[in-house]
Amino acid sequence: DQQVKQNSPSLSVQEGRISILNCDYTNSMFDYFLWYKKYPAEGPTFLISISSIKDKNEDGRFTVFLNKSAKHLSLHIVPSQPGDSAVYFCAASYSGAGSYQLTFGKGTKLSVIP
Amino acid sequence: DAGVTQSPTHLIKTRGQQVTLRCSPKSGHDTVSWYQQALGQGPQFIFQYYEEEERQRGNFPDRFSGHQFPNYSSELNVNALLLGDSALYLCASSFRDRMYSPLHFGNGTRLTVT
Repeated sequence: DQQVKQNSPSLSVQEGRISILNCDYTNSMFDYFLWYKKYPAEGPTFLISISSIKDKNEDGRFTVFLNKSAKHLSLHIVPSQPGDSAVYFCAASYSGAGSYQLTFGKGTKLSVIP
Repeated sequence: DAGVTQSPTHLIKTRGQQVTLRCSPKSGHDTVSWYQQALGQGPQFIFQYYEEEERQRGNFPDRFSGHQFPNYSSELNVNALLLGDSALYLCASSFRDRMYSPLHFGNGTRLTVT
């Protein structure tokens, strides 16, 4: 029973173009969503988050969009750079669990080609 | 400013043995959470410690136990190891009083059970 799904195991994008990573969730109680980036042999690093009261949050090259009715969120990276090549995890939480009990997707491996 | 540190980085144990993993939270953080990441999966929440007590627990058996010390550092203990316990174990820290402060992860301990 996967409550957070990342249906694309991998994605390849040309340097300078837009990368779009998608995530779907099933638990309507989730009200806080995060994206983490993970390099090999390192722990996940927080990238950007969004609460359910918003539908968009930007931080530099990274933008997260939330569509609550569709239970879908996406991460846009513009422009993509080779250093963005990593595994990206979508995660979700809800007020009752607190931000320390995150439910993660399986991840999408992004490869940015120079 | 030291981030989350975990030890050891790698560990090999035999089925039936017991193991202890250690974590020091990011400076200033008071809450520690533990996650298990199996190969090809996203991290899965094990439990969370605050004020030296287990506050929340994920879907893990009692063979998984933990401890938090007065300096906020934490240990994860796993008894009667099974082959399926082979995974990357991640420790994450955060502020208890900031509901949606993002988790900061360590680089993990890679446990192999043979």
